[in-house]
Amino acid sequence: QLQLQESGPGLVKPSETLSLTCGVSGDSITSTSHYWAWIRQPPGKGLQWIGSVYYSGSTFYNPSLKSRVTISVDTSKNQFSLKLSSVTAADTAVYYCARRVGITGTPFAWFEPWGQGMLVTVSS
Amino acid sequence: DIQMTQSPSSLSASVGDRVTITCRASQTISTYLNWYQQKPGKAPKVLIYAASSLQSGVPSRFNGSGSGTDFTLTISSLQPEDFATYHCQQSYYIPYTFGQGTKVEIK
Repeated sequence: QLQLQESGPGLVKPSETLSLTCGVSGDSITSTSHYWAWIRQPPGKGLQWIGSVYYSGSTFYNPSLKSRVTISVDTSKNQFSLKLSSVTAADTAVYYCARRVGITGTPFAWFEPWGQGMLVTVSS
Repeated sequence: DIQMTQSPSSLSASVGDRVTITCRASQTISTYLNWYQQKPGKAPKVLIYAASSLQSGVPSRFNGSGSGTDFTLTISSLQPEDFATYHCQQSYYIPYTFGQGTKVEIK
């Protein structure tokens, strides 16, 4: 059974870089069918897709965050990572990693499963 | 970005009630629309993908319909475990965007 688990610091200072890792177990991250994604949810608010990565390293990002985001993959460790630079209080959120499931050649895409989520607070 | 607007933002219902949640896209998205259920403190789980396809393991009381800009999630007979927040998500345009969520509470 595929499982994802976020890890990293739960507290980041303003202007610094948020770094999280998602460990994947139960399947290989090199599966040719899927992308892997980061999604966040500020407290009491809706979900925001941050970006996605393929095992080859190919990425696509939310334009609203693109200038600050880097998502990378480490196939040897079966994990992928998120870096978000120059954080402010507005970046305080629960950060989820997830597998993006899709139908090849179409825009059909959904996220399943998700990690349990990790609250990251931006505060001095 | 495509704006996804859900209505209502919250509703109160009783066990056994039929519940309908609506999601409207700011531009046409064909059937590239998914529905998720999220319980407090937990990650979302997909219920419906491609507007009307039931995810494996999801009870048949959940039904999705719609195309273009207007979509509906219906729970035919609300069960105690269905009290949660429901989110829609479009995948036609990048960036993927979600609705603001609809919280289903016990009446």
